[in-house]
Amino acid sequence: DAMVIQNPRYQVTQFGKPVTLSCSQTLNHNVMYWYQQKSSQAPKLLFHYYDKDFNNEADTPDNFQSRRPNTSFCFLDIRSPGLGDAAMYLCATSKGQGTTRSYNEQFFGPGTRLTVL
Amino acid sequence: AQSVTQLGSHVSVSEGALVLLRCNYSSSVPPYLFWYVQYPNQGLQLLLKYTSAATLVKGINGFEAEFKKSETSFHLTKPSAHMSDAAEYFCAVSVPGNDMRFGAGTRLTVKP
Repeated sequence: DAMVIQNPRYQVTQFGKPVTLSCSQTLNHNVMYWYQQKSSQAPKLLFHYYDKDFNNEADTPDNFQSRRPNTSFCFLDIRSPGLGDAAMYLCATSKGQGTTRSYNEQFFGPGTRLTVL
Repeated sequence: AQSVTQLGSHVSVSEGALVLLRCNYSSSVPPYLFWYVQYPNQGLQLLLKYTSAATLVKGINGFEAEFKKSETSFHLTKPSAHMSDAAEYFCAVSVPGNDMRFGAGTRLTVKP
């Protein structure tokens, strides 16, 4: 089945120690998103890739970076995690269409729960 | 910019009762509207979507939603709640050229 896969499902890191979360997809979608979701809150968009174009949300901290080496994979790098970065991180994909960049439904992975000690 | 407001952060119903989760949207252009469900420690799963076709949209697990332009609403309903419906539900809005915006979510509790 086509799907969005996130590894690991649970990640524990130490304060200030860089961590990388990964996402892969078999849907062949050209748009990939990273969201941060804290307890009992809506997902908050950090950034997304439309094809190779990187789009950063204005309020995403510089501590968060992303890489998309190919269509199938996308990584979230947290350079110096703080206690406030503990959250669920969700990867999602969608099929972008044409030059108007019309965004369709998004397909989500199961998430990675990050704990910062 | 488009936005959605979900009325009621917590809704509790008895098993077998009607489920009604409210969502109102704001958009200057015709929107696409979505309902997602999230079970504990899982990602979001699409329940249904409205993309300017039929105003009454049927989704998975017996859920449906009706788009009412005059009321700027897209409420989610299910005639008879099941214990397995207990989860967090998110309404979302999207317009061409912009990112999807999620509501704050409604936690549904189903009592036996």
